[in-house]
Formats: sequence, C-alpha cells, structure tokens
Amino acid sequence: EADIYQTPRYLVIGTGKKITLECSQTMGHDKMYWYQQDPGMELHLIHYSYGVNSTEKGDLSSESTVSRIRTEHFPLTLESARPSHTSQYLCASSESPGRGYGYTFGSGTRLTVV
Amino acid sequence: RKEVEQDPGPFNVPEGATVAFNCTYSNSASQSFFWYRQDCRKEPKLLMSVYSSGNEDGRFTAQLNRASQYISLLIRDSKLSDSATYLCVVNIPFDGNQFYFGTGTSLTVIP
Repeated sequence: EADIYQTPRYLVIGTGKKITLECSQTMGHDKMYWYQQDPGMELHLIHYSYGVNSTEKGDLSSESTVSRIRTEHFPLTLESARPSHTSQYLCASSESPGRGYGYTFGSGTRLTVV
Repeated sequence: RKEVEQDPGPFNVPEGATVAFNCTYSNSASQSFFWYRQDCRKEPKLLMSVYSSGNEDGRFTAQLNRASQYISLLIRDSKLSDSATYLCVVNIPFDGNQFYFGTGTSLTVIP
C-alpha cells in the first residue's frame, strides 16, 4: 500500500510540450523531494521543499520548477520538454528533522521526450 | 568530495554466500543512517535503518562505526532475490534534513 503516489507512471511526449508530474503523499510529511535518475545511474536531487510555500533547488541543475501549495502535493513542471529530459523522476517525502525514519519514495514517472 | 561513497561493484556471488558492503560518509554531523534496496527500474525502498549498536534483520546485519565514519551491510546465505542495487543513505538533520545517497552497490546472486 503506497502512501506516496506519482502520476503518470509512464509518459511519452513530444518536444516542446509543457508537462506536470504529479506527486502526493498521505503521511503528513513536511519534507518532499524530487530526484532524477537515469537507468543504472545514481539519484540526483533536483528540488526539495521544507513545507508549504517552501521550495529549493537541489544539487543537479534542472529546467523544471516545483510548487508546494499544500502539504500533501508537490508537482513538478517542465515548461518545454526536450529529449535531454528523458529520465525517471522519483518523488519522496520524509518526516521532520530528528525522526530518522528515512525516505518514502513514490513509484516514479518514466518520462520519454521524443 | 562526495558526502557518501560506496564501491559500485558489481558484486557477483553464488547463492548461499555471505557478502558485505561498506560505505563511508564525510560529515561527522550525520545523525541517521540507512540502507535502501533498489531493484532494476523500480524506486528505492528502505531495507533497514542502521543503529549505533548495530542491528540485525534476519539475514541482514547493519553496523555503524562513527569514529571511522563508515557503515556496513552484511548479507548472509544470499538468495537469488537479493540481487539488486544497495544504496547507503545518510541524513544530516541540521542541513535542511538532507538525505545523501551513495551511488549504490550492485549485487548479483548467481545460481
């Protein structure tokens, strides 16, 4: 039973299209994260949020943007998709500092831009 | 320097073997430690937290050495289903509650 949901699971889209990847969690976690991962490669943090109205860029430069209007929702938007954006995008959430309960990941969105 | 370093492997071991992975971290302020498992084309899933005194979960044993800043994972009696990538994860709560992931160690258990 998943407590963090990502949609769509797979997306094939043409170059130049605007897309939004959805991520929602039902655990009431303050912290949410977006990672990008190519097959067989390491995770790269692209965005994170401490809570509502808080967003920060991660270690990997990304042309995407995020918003956090509600605690449970952390969508990621690409204004103009390019083939270089083809990757897997993983959303995760965690509790506040000090709990040490780790991350919970969504199942990911596998994006292909043609 | 990366916050978390792992030997990427691959480790190819026969069924029934014991295999150990190590991971080092650079920030002494790190507070929480985890091992995650990631299957091919799937999301990472928490395998186990790592406690200061060491902890065991069935065939899996995790240990933490704060003085040397490394974490280990021992898998005994390897099963084919253990084949996956194992990610070492370190949490620094006072750094925006950042979680730092290692690049992962690939394990293949061979029949």
